[in-house]
Order: sequence, then C-alpha cells, then structure tokens
Amino acid sequence: GNSVTQMEGPVTLSEEAFLTINCTYTATGYPSLFWYVQYPGEGLQLLLKATKADDKGSNKGFEATYRKETTSFHLEKGSVQVSDSAVYFCALSPMDSSYKLIFGSGTRLLVRP
Amino acid sequence: DVKVTQSSRYLVKRTGEKVFLECVQDMDHENMFWYRQDPGLGLRLIYFSYDVKMKEKGDIPEGYSVSREKKERFSLILESASTNQTSMYLCASSLFGPQAFFGQGTRLTVV
Repeated sequence: GNSVTQMEGPVTLSEEAFLTINCTYTATGYPSLFWYVQYPGEGLQLLLKATKADDKGSNKGFEATYRKETTSFHLEKGSVQVSDSAVYFCALSPMDSSYKLIFGSGTRLLVRP
Repeated sequence: DVKVTQSSRYLVKRTGEKVFLECVQDMDHENMFWYRQDPGLGLRLIYFSYDVKMKEKGDIPEGYSVSREKKERFSLILESASTNQTSMYLCASSLFGPQAFFGQGTRLTVV
C-alpha cells in the first residue's frame, strides 16, 4: 500500500543552522509529493511540491528533490530562522487517485535564537 | 487568497452528544475534505466530497457522517460522540487534484 515515513522529531536547531527533514515513501508508479507546514495554532499550508522524478520543489528557501531511485523527498533549508518553527508534513498523492493525500506523521522543528 | 473557515476553534462535548463541525470555503472549489489529526499519526482522511450531495468514505469513516448541501459548505457529523473522537479536525478544499487548502482546525474534546 501507499505510505509516508518521516523522521521523528522534535528537531531542535540554532538559528542559521542547516536543516534536513527526511521523508521516504512507498507507492506504485510515480506519485506526486508534497511538503506541508503547520505553524502554531494554524491549519496546514502547502510549502512545496514535485510531480515527477528529479523535479525540485522550492519555496521560502526550502527545497526538496523527488528521488525515485531512493523513494525519498527530503526537505532542506540552508539557514533556518526562528520563524520556521512549525510542524512539517510530507505527503504523497497516489497515481491512481486524483484527490487523495497520504500524510506522514509530521516532524516538529524548533529553532532557537 | 483561498479561505477555508471552520466554525469553531475549540469545542467541548459530552459523550453521546450529536456534534456538528462546519466548514465553508470561498473559492468555488469542487472538492472538500475532512481530516483528523492525532499526534504521531499525521492526518487521516475521514470523508471526501467531490460535488454537492456526493461523498466518499476515506480511511477512517466509522462513527462519522458528512453533509454537503451547498458547494461551499461541508459538514462533519459525529452521530454519538465518544471519547476516542477527541482530536483535531481539519477541513480542506481543492479545485482539482490533491493540492488542498486547509482551515485552521477545530480541536474537539469529548468528555
């Protein structure tokens, strides 16, 4: 079946540190891949997406590359800020379902000044 | 900007009560969703609607029903609330495909 596995948090970093949040998936064919972010007290917002192998999604300094060979979609940022503190969700949309999103368990990021 | 509005941020209900969670979107989106968010489990799809009066069960529909009488409004109904339905409930909408816009969530506590 389809599933998404994220690294467990919390991830605690100092401001300006490099961020990696690992995400791997299980799915048939070529799903679309997403990162959503949930800031404290808010709903989820789409951060970035990639729809085919080797695509790189990017937004607000965050990047993730769709790696079919390793079934991964790791989220990276070169220099985090306190305002990046949030919960990050990796998700996939299967090829055989045009609407469905399957989420990972989420990774909480805490950035200290 | 797309706006998805959930009627309550916090709700406390008693076991056995019938509970209504309301969601409204203002962008004429075809698809609307109800998810449940629990720590360590991420988001799980309860129900999905792709048109007025049309619905499909998601991964965890037991104990829930939905209503979509108008395109902009999607209601989640807990027929008889139980303590294991204490959770954060998130509504979302999308025009097509899986790229969804989420509401702020309703934190429901059943006592």
